[in-house]
Amino acid sequence: NAGVTQTPKFHILKIGQSMTLQCTQDMNHNYMYWYRQDPGMGLKLIYYSVGAGITDKGEVPNGYNVSRSTTEDFPLRLELAAPSQTSVYFCASSYLRQGETQYFGPGTRLLVL
Amino acid sequence: KQEVTQIPAALSVPEGENLVLNCSFTDSAIYNLQWFRQDPGKGLTSLLLIQSSQREQTSGRLNASLDKSSGRSTLYIAASQPGDSATYLCAVRRRANAGNMLTFGGGTRLMVKP
Repeated sequence: NAGVTQTPKFHILKIGQSMTLQCTQDMNHNYMYWYRQDPGMGLKLIYYSVGAGITDKGEVPNGYNVSRSTTEDFPLRLELAAPSQTSVYFCASSYLRQGETQYFGPGTRLLVL
Repeated sequence: KQEVTQIPAALSVPEGENLVLNCSFTDSAIYNLQWFRQDPGKGLTSLLLIQSSQREQTSGRLNASLDKSSGRSTLYIAASQPGDSATYLCAVRRRANAGNMLTFGGGTRLMVKP
């Protein structure tokens, strides 16, 4: 199993542009998450999904959108990028009932200039 | 609102020392607590998960304890090695929330010197 994969690894975005961060998991997990991590800080939840077709807001959803059309994929869309969205973005997945450990991808480093 | 704090923010120790990392949380109504390891430029790896009904969990040289009533957890690392150098994050899950959502602390950056 590849686990949780994210693309791209690094991207520079201009203010006002939009882009989609990709996340795929091959563990058949029902739960998927998007977090952001700012320098020296812990992770904050942006959006999560409990299954295909079901998404909900986390702690810091403003400026982002998500969709979950399949079990495997959970893309994060940034609309009208702002410098405040410069961060490292992590995708994670889990089963709710199997120890509840979340498995994380390697992250996408995003710079908005 | 749940807040999670980790002290110290950074720690440097010589190889072989036993060390303790601290995590505190403001709302004791948690479902479980996890300790993660994060290597530079990498994602998080789960080290230990303690359910709210448990007092501690052990894995190799790692031991995590939980005192829910006082809102504290510690991660004990025995006989530290340079390979233990990483950032350690603790995270708590609120009781029975729908999304298994975690609240993270800011992490402790550990450096073990040879």
